[in-house]
Amino acid sequence: DSGVTQTPKHLITATGQRVTLRCSPRSGDLSVYWYQQSLDQGLQFLIQYYNGEERAKGNILERFSAQQFPDLHSELNLSSLELGDSALYFCASSLGTGGSYEQYFGPGTRLTVT
Amino acid sequence: GQNIDQPTEMTATEGAIVQINCTYQTSGFNGLFWYQQHAGEAPTFLSYNVLDGLEEKGRFSSFLSRSKGYSYLLLKELQMKDSASYLCAVVTGANNLFFGTGTRLTVIP
Repeated sequence: DSGVTQTPKHLITATGQRVTLRCSPRSGDLSVYWYQQSLDQGLQFLIQYYNGEERAKGNILERFSAQQFPDLHSELNLSSLELGDSALYFCASSLGTGGSYEQYFGPGTRLTVT
Repeated sequence: GQNIDQPTEMTATEGAIVQINCTYQTSGFNGLFWYQQHAGEAPTFLSYNVLDGLEEKGRFSSFLSRSKGYSYLLLKELQMKDSASYLCAVVTGANNLFFGTGTRLTVIP
C-alpha cells in the first residue's frame, strides 16, 4: 500500500459525458501527478501540481483539467468523453517537485467509455 | 522529442538471471527510474540512477551510462512473482518523468 488513494476504482460512462477522478496523496507529500495508461501504451504524463499550483503539463487534452485543493487532494476532470479516453488513470505523489523525487502511485481508476 | 526503447517482451526461467535494457534519447537528463508494474496494478519503485555505474539492491541491480544513453535492470534468482512489466523512466530536462512502454517479463518454471 503506497498511501495514495484514488476513487472510484472503476467508472463506466457513455461518450460525451463528464467524470471526475479523485486522488489523495500520501501524508506529507506536496506534489500530485496524473498519468494515463491505455492498453499497450506506456504511462503518459498528464499534469503535475505542487502545493496547490500547476507545476508541469504533459500531453493533457484541452477536454481534461485538474486542480489541487488546499488539503492537497487533487481531482482530474474529463469532459466530452470519447471511446479513446478509456484507460487506467493513475495518480502519484511525491514529497517535492523535482523529477528525481520517487513517485508513489495510487491503485488507479479504470475508466471505460461506451 | 523524447524516446525510450525497451524490448516489448522477455521470457526467463525461475532461478535464472535476466537483463532488461533501456536506451533513451531525451531533452535533457536528470536521472532514470525503474518501476515494476504487475498487470492492472500500480507501478512500484525499484531503483533510481543519476550517476554512471551500478546500483545494487538485493536481487535487483540497475546500471546507467549517461554517455551512451543506456541503462539496464538486472534481476537475479528469478522468482515466479517477478513476472511483471518493468518500466524505464527518464527525468527530462524539464524535470518531468517520461516513461517507456515497458518490458513484459514472464518467468517460467
